[in-house]
Amino acid sequence: QKEVEQDPGPLSVPEGAIVSLNCTYSNSAFQYFMWYRQYSRKGPELLMYTYSSGNKEDGRFTAQVDKSSKYISLFIRDSQPSDSATYLCAMSENSGYSTLTFGKGTMLLVSP
Amino acid sequence: DGGITQSPKYLFRKEGQNVTLSCEQNLNHDAMYWYRQDPGQGLRLIYYSQIVNDFQKGDIAEGYSVSREKKESFPLTVTSAQKNPTAFYLCASTMDSGPNQPQHFGDGTRLSIL
Repeated sequence: QKEVEQDPGPLSVPEGAIVSLNCTYSNSAFQYFMWYRQYSRKGPELLMYTYSSGNKEDGRFTAQVDKSSKYISLFIRDSQPSDSATYLCAMSENSGYSTLTFGKGTMLLVSP
Repeated sequence: DGGITQSPKYLFRKEGQNVTLSCEQNLNHDAMYWYRQDPGQGLRLIYYSQIVNDFQKGDIAEGYSVSREKKESFPLTVTSAQKNPTAFYLCASTMDSGPNQPQHFGDGTRLSIL
């Protein structure tokens, strides 16, 4: 079983829609959860960063972590064509040193 | 502006040739990382370095080599032993090597075979 599962999409929505992106994971030791946005031919940029369970909001973006279900989500409100990108989830353990484990990314297309 | 600079943006390799990808950061970060990104595969860790003059293999280190002689530089060499080098290579850094550090990425180098 892969450590982090993420639907590759593409997910196509009209402008203004609410978007829900999700990842599931199997390693219960993961404590830090991140969402990155990657435009074509660019490096990933950090969007959201959360520790353990709960919600975090930043403008139109909300990140949710449900550790009991091993499930994380990123919600985008009032989606814009400029949100069209690949969204990668990433997570790490709370040990002395830990590398990130990435999902494969979900491609999002927001049409005007 | 502080950031990570990867060069070149595009690189072509001939059969049997070693090529080196450059990664420079001016963020004063201690730790640096190299990833390979293939379509449908996500990011896979090649090598990482927590401190100058020290580095560790990641999940797919075979056919690659690195050095970390300066804090700001972490070049990656793709050797002729890497039989399938065509991919998008990403360099990243974190302030230190602790588990709670989000990684900052460069804009990548796309390597292709001639």
